[in-house]
Amino acid sequence: DVKVTQSSRYLVKRTGEKVFLECVQDMDHENMFWYRQDPGLGLRLIYFSYDVKMKEKGDIPEGYSVSREKKERFSLILESASTNQTSMYLCASLTKNTEAFFGQGTRLTVV
Amino acid sequence: GEDVEQSLFLSVREGDSSVINCTYTDSSSTYLYWYKQEPGAGLQLLTYIFSNMDMKQDQRLTVLLNKKDKHLSLRIADTQTGDSAIYFCAESSYSSASKIIFGSGTRLSIRP
Repeated sequence: DVKVTQSSRYLVKRTGEKVFLECVQDMDHENMFWYRQDPGLGLRLIYFSYDVKMKEKGDIPEGYSVSREKKERFSLILESASTNQTSMYLCASLTKNTEAFFGQGTRLTVV
Repeated sequence: GEDVEQSLFLSVREGDSSVINCTYTDSSSTYLYWYKQEPGAGLQLLTYIFSNMDMKQDQRLTVLLNKKDKHLSLRIADTQTGDSAIYFCAESSYSSASKIIFGSGTRLSIRP
C-alpha cells in the first residue's frame, strides 16, 4: 500500500510565524503535490514537484514556497503565516499513470 | 484553463440510488476520478475511468462517462448511511502536465 504521511493532523500558529508542513511518501513516486481545501472551493493546487529540487507553481502559490531535497519528502512552507491561510492542507503523491494518493491532511489554524 | 464542476449538495433516502454528476472542460482528459472524503479524513480514491471507456462498474458503484458532452456521473446503488461524505470529481491529462484538477465536491447526505 502506498503511504503518504503528513507530519501533523492539527496545527495552530500565530500570524507572522514561519510554518513548515511536511509530507513523506514511501513508493518512490516522482510527482508530489500540495493542495489546500476550503469549503465550496474544492481542492486548489498550491505547488507541485516532478523530481528532486524541481518545483512548479500551481494555481494559488502566493504566500507559499516548497522544498524537495529528497524524492520522498515534499515540504510546504508558509513564510509568514496569515489568517487567510487557515485551511486544510492535503499532500498527494502520483503514480506514472496519474493515480493520486493522498495524506490525511493537516488542518492549520492561524490566529 | 481546465475546469471541473459539480453541484454542492445531494440528499437521498437510505436504500435509494444516489447519482452525483460532474462536468469538465478538458477534452484531452486521460483519467477521470471519483474521490470520497469522510469527515476529518483525507481523500480516498473510490474509482476511476480511463477516457476511452464509457462505463465502469464496481460492486455498488457505477461510473458513466459521456465524452462528447464531457459529463461524468457516479451512481451509488442501495445508498447507506456510511456513504455520507463529500464526493470529489477530478480529471487529469498528460497535456496538463499530470496535474489533477478537482471539482468543488458534492456533499451527500442520507435521510432515513
